[in-house]
Amino acid sequence: GNSVTQMEGPVTLSEEAFLTINCTYTATGYPSLFWYVQYPGEGLQLLLKATKADDKGSNKGFEATYRKETTSFHLEKGSVQVSDSAVYFCALSMEYGNKLVFGAGTILRVKS
Amino acid sequence: NAGVTQTPKFQVLKTGQSMTLQCAQDMNHEYMSWYRQDPGMGLRLIHYSVGAGITDQGEVPNGYNVSRSTTEDFPLRLLSAAPSQTSVYFCASSRRNHYEQYFGPGTRLTVT
Repeated sequence: GNSVTQMEGPVTLSEEAFLTINCTYTATGYPSLFWYVQYPGEGLQLLLKATKADDKGSNKGFEATYRKETTSFHLEKGSVQVSDSAVYFCALSMEYGNKLVFGAGTILRVKS
Repeated sequence: NAGVTQTPKFQVLKTGQSMTLQCAQDMNHEYMSWYRQDPGMGLRLIHYSVGAGITDQGEVPNGYNVSRSTTEDFPLRLLSAAPSQTSVYFCASSRRNHYEQYFGPGTRLTVT
């Protein structure tokens, strides 16, 4: 079946540090890929997406590129802020954005 | 727009009790879903609906029932609660053939 694997956390960084959260997937066919973010006490919000190979999704300084050859969709940000502290989920879908398959989530903590 | 609303926010049940988690959306979205979030496992799809009167099972449907009598509402019923159903439950909605799902704030359920 389809699955998503992402790096375990928590990841603890100082403010303005570079962030990478690794995500790889297994899928039959060509999924759409997503990063969702969950701030404390809230539901998930879509952070960015990519719908085909070599697409780059970007939002709020975060970026991720859909790499079919390595089945990866790593999340990056050049300079993190305390307000980026949250749980980040990598996910895939074979039906637009529905029936999402999620990774386990990565907790990010940013210290000032 | 209130978006996706869920009630209650917290619930404690005894083993064997039944209850209904409520979910409503005011965006006229065709697609609605229920996920459960467990530590280390991300979110997993329980049931989903592509429109009023149509529901289908997701990855972990056992012990749960759903119905969709209106576009707005998608309640999740626990027939006989078990400790394994202790989790955080999220409802989500989306427009058909769109990529973004909108999540509610979640219901934290504890079964003792």
